Amino acid sequence: GIQVEQSPPDLILQEGANSTLRCNFSDSVNNLQWFHQNPWGQLINLFYIPSGTKQNGRLSATTVATERYSLLYISSSQTTDSGVYFCAVVEETSGSRLTFGEGTQLTVNP
Amino acid sequence: EPEVTQTPSHQVTQMGQEVILRCVPISNHLYFYWYRQILGQKVEFLVSFYNNEISEKSEIFDDQFSVERPDGSNFTLKIRSTKLEDSAMYFCASSEAPGGSSYEQYFGPGTRLTVT
Repeated sequence: GIQVEQSPPDLILQEGANSTLRCNFSDSVNNLQWFHQNPWGQLINLFYIPSGTKQNGRLSATTVATERYSLLYISSSQTTDSGVYFCAVVEETSGSRLTFGEGTQLTVNP
Repeated sequence: EPEVTQTPSHQVTQMGQEVILRCVPISNHLYFYWYRQILGQKVEFLVSFYNNEISEKSEIFDDQFSVERPDGSNFTLKIRSTKLEDSAMYFCASSEAPGGSSYEQYFGPGTRLTVT
């Protein structure tokens, strides 16, 4: 099955800093989603981005499908951005299941 | 904005008991999913469901698990005889069409199952 690798595994920032999270995947995909898991365990949809670039406020994401990676940018980070960020993909030749990466644990300190 | 809802938010059960986790998908969605996340680990796919039948399942989804759409709005996951290792957060998700057709999956807030 498809492999999804996220980096870095852990990231500690001061409030106001910018960051880039990376997601590499091993095969072609036709669905890629970024999620934020908050301290209560809820998965919040951030982006549906199988290709191209999208922006939503301080967050933006870019997927380069031909090179099999996606990036999530967080600008001017806030303490409420803390949590785990997951990348998940649907392999092009394999049904509709989302395969998740291990996540990036982000801590934003005041 | 429409959202996926799940009940209960937290369930505690004894080993060997049956549990039913409930989900109400977004109303115009056709595809439904269950995922689980053991504490501290990544989210794992369990099963997908379309047109009143399972369309795909993982190796985790063995005979102790079953899914059902008992009416026009609810989607349930039943675990027949719970084990300690079933303790996890269970997420329901729905989409207009399968992810393979490039549709976003929307997740519910999860049910935390604790088996004692």
